[in-house]
Amino acid sequence: AQSVAQPEDQVNVAEGNPLTVKCTYSVSGNPYLFWYVQYPNRGLQFLLKYITGDNLVKGSYGFEAEFNKSQTSFHLKKPSALVSDSALYFCAVRALYNQGGKLIFGQGTELSVKP
Amino acid sequence: ETGVTQTPRHLVMGMTNKKSLKCEQHLGHNAMYWYKQSAKKPLELMFVYNFKEQTENNSVPSRFSPECPNSSHLFLHLHTLQPEDSALYLCASSYQLVAQETQYFGPGTRLLVL
Repeated sequence: AQSVAQPEDQVNVAEGNPLTVKCTYSVSGNPYLFWYVQYPNRGLQFLLKYITGDNLVKGSYGFEAEFNKSQTSFHLKKPSALVSDSALYFCAVRALYNQGGKLIFGQGTELSVKP
Repeated sequence: ETGVTQTPRHLVMGMTNKKSLKCEQHLGHNAMYWYKQSAKKPLELMFVYNFKEQTENNSVPSRFSPECPNSSHLFLHLHTLQPEDSALYLCASSYQLVAQETQYFGPGTRLLVL
């Protein structure tokens, strides 16, 4: 069975500091991994995804994520956090063999960036 | 963010009412999805449509009835809902129904069942 874990319900960071939002996954076979962000009263916005190739994936708004197969992780990172990055972040996974629609989401991590 | 639109944005309904949620995508995609987002729970996939055909029903109660008249429009018809159905209902679309395709989400409909 596929699953995603985001071990931290909340991450607090000072503006200008680097941020990391953690994600680990469990899937049979090769995974496709996604990060989404949700601002209050909004839908989910796509940030980035890992399909294959370079383990470091760059996405929107200066975010990047590193795929680590041995640790089954896909942590989201940003070198310098902005107050406007404060939002709810979701990691999601699909397996290569899953050609259907089921994207498995983590429970979300609330990121709070203070000035 | 205007690629996938949803109406209404907010809906309050009684348990005996019938209402419908509408989703429209302007991205030329062929697959559309309904998700339910409840507080403190991961997003739950409800239904999947590919080229207007339903391909997945994730054990959703029959009081939720989806309709996909074409690849651009998706509806969720609601009747005799329960208070526990109160949630944010999100529509999404993707170009193809394959694992590596990105799903793009609408802003959601916030539903409150009284």
